[in-house]
Amino acid sequence: DAKTTQPPSMDCAEGRAANLPCNHSTISGNEYVYWYRQIHSQGPQYIIHGLKNNETNEMASLIITEDRKSSTLILPHATLRDTAVYYCIVRVASNAGNMLTFGGGTRLMVKP
Amino acid sequence: DAGVIQSPRHEVTEMGQEVTLRCKPISGHNSLFWYRQTMMRGLELLIYFNNNVPIDDSGMPEDRFSAKMPNASFSTLKIQPSEPRDSAVYFCASSTGHAVGTEAFFGQGTRLTVV
Repeated sequence: DAKTTQPPSMDCAEGRAANLPCNHSTISGNEYVYWYRQIHSQGPQYIIHGLKNNETNEMASLIITEDRKSSTLILPHATLRDTAVYYCIVRVASNAGNMLTFGGGTRLMVKP
Repeated sequence: DAGVIQSPRHEVTEMGQEVTLRCKPISGHNSLFWYRQTMMRGLELLIYFNNNVPIDDSGMPEDRFSAKMPNASFSTLKIQPSEPRDSAVYFCASSTGHAVGTEAFFGQGTRLTVV
């Protein structure tokens, strides 16, 4: 699976949009971009995934650049409960399924 | 559904003792994963089962670690003998299949401390 690069930490004001970047310059054509988050003392939680097109669900939006070498996770109205470590994972479309390779992630601190 | 259930939530044991961690996946899920999380190494995949069969155990650190899945609703991760460096949070996760597009659901983890 391709390697990802994320900033180690970010701050965001409560109620504002949180934009979390991820670089995956070596991504190949059959690799998807997944985002998970881990709130303190809990297991990781799936957020969203995409291949080429932008995606949106009830939790977040995922914007993938046209060359697919980077992506941005957007939390449109961050709340204090969104404080967590956010992991960007690139995974090949194969039977490997959810054999996830977690990097260091981005520690998002949402402040009042 | 109650989600992935792990037990115990916390375990403190002495070096050299056997430790068994337990996991009940979400009903209907046929893929199960054990992960380990430490400050130094982050989240690491230990082993992956599909339809109760171990598919990839390349992440299991050494022979002291073993995992079983006797049926679709139960899995164990055993460490024998345990060592202080095994101290970590161990997560179990399950998913409906092994294709892309299926999300993994994680349990709350077992915090293991070996003294």
